[in-house]
Amino acid sequence: EVVLTQSPGTLSLSPGERATLSCRASQSVSGNNLVWYQQKRGQAPRVLIYAASSRATGIPDRFSGGGSGTDFTLTISRLEPEDFAVYYCQRYGGSPRLTFGGGTKVEIK
Amino acid sequence: QVQLVQSGAEVTKPGASVKVSCKASGYTFSSYGISWVRQAPGQGLEWMGWISPYNGNTNYAQKFQGRVIMTTDTSTTTAYMELRSLTSDDTAVYYCARDGSGLLHYWGQGTLVTVSS
Repeated sequence: EVVLTQSPGTLSLSPGERATLSCRASQSVSGNNLVWYQQKRGQAPRVLIYAASSRATGIPDRFSGGGSGTDFTLTISRLEPEDFAVYYCQRYGGSPRLTFGGGTKVEIK
Repeated sequence: QVQLVQSGAEVTKPGASVKVSCKASGYTFSSYGISWVRQAPGQGLEWMGWISPYNGNTNYAQKFQGRVIMTTDTSTTTAYMELRSLTSDDTAVYYCARDGSGLLHYWGQGTLVTVSS
C-alpha cells in the first residue's frame, strides 16, 4: 500500500512569503495521479491541483504543483491571508483506490 | 450546479450503527462514483470507500471491510454509508464526495457523528 508522507507538519510564514509543501510517496505514483487539496476550518476540502501540476478551475496562479514519481511539491508563490489553511495531498489509481497524506498546516507567523 | 447534501448530525452509542445519506443533484448520478471520507476531530482525511451508482460495485478500504456498507438509490440520486459496531474512535465528520476516477472535485457539507455512552 502506498503511503504519502507530507512535510513539514506545520509551516509558519508571513503573508507575502513563499510556501513550499512536500508530499513523498512510499512507491511511485502511477500516471502522476496526485492531487492537492486545501481545507479551511469547518469546511470541506477543495481541489487546488490535480495530475500533479494542473490547476483546478478558479484556482489562482500563485498555486503551482510539481514533481513526479515519488516526490511532489505544492508551491504558493506569495501567501495571501486566505491561504492560511491545511493542505493535503492524495494519490488515486491502483489499490487502495485513494490515499491521503497526513496534511501540512500553513499558519501565520 | 453540482451539489451533495448530507443528512444531519448524529449522536449514537457504542456498539450501534449509523447511516449517513448524501443527496446528489446537478449532474448525471450514475456517471460518477461516490467516495466517503472521514475526519476525526483535529485529524487528517481518511478514505473509507467508494461505490458506483451505475452498477453498485464497491471498493472499501481494508480498515473498514466488514463494518461498512455503501449503497445508492438511483431513483432518488442518494448515496448511503452505514457503519456498524461503532466505538468512540468513530467519532468524526463524515463526507461524501463525487469521485471522478479518484478525483474528488465536489464534496458534501459533512455529517458529524458522535459516538458516546
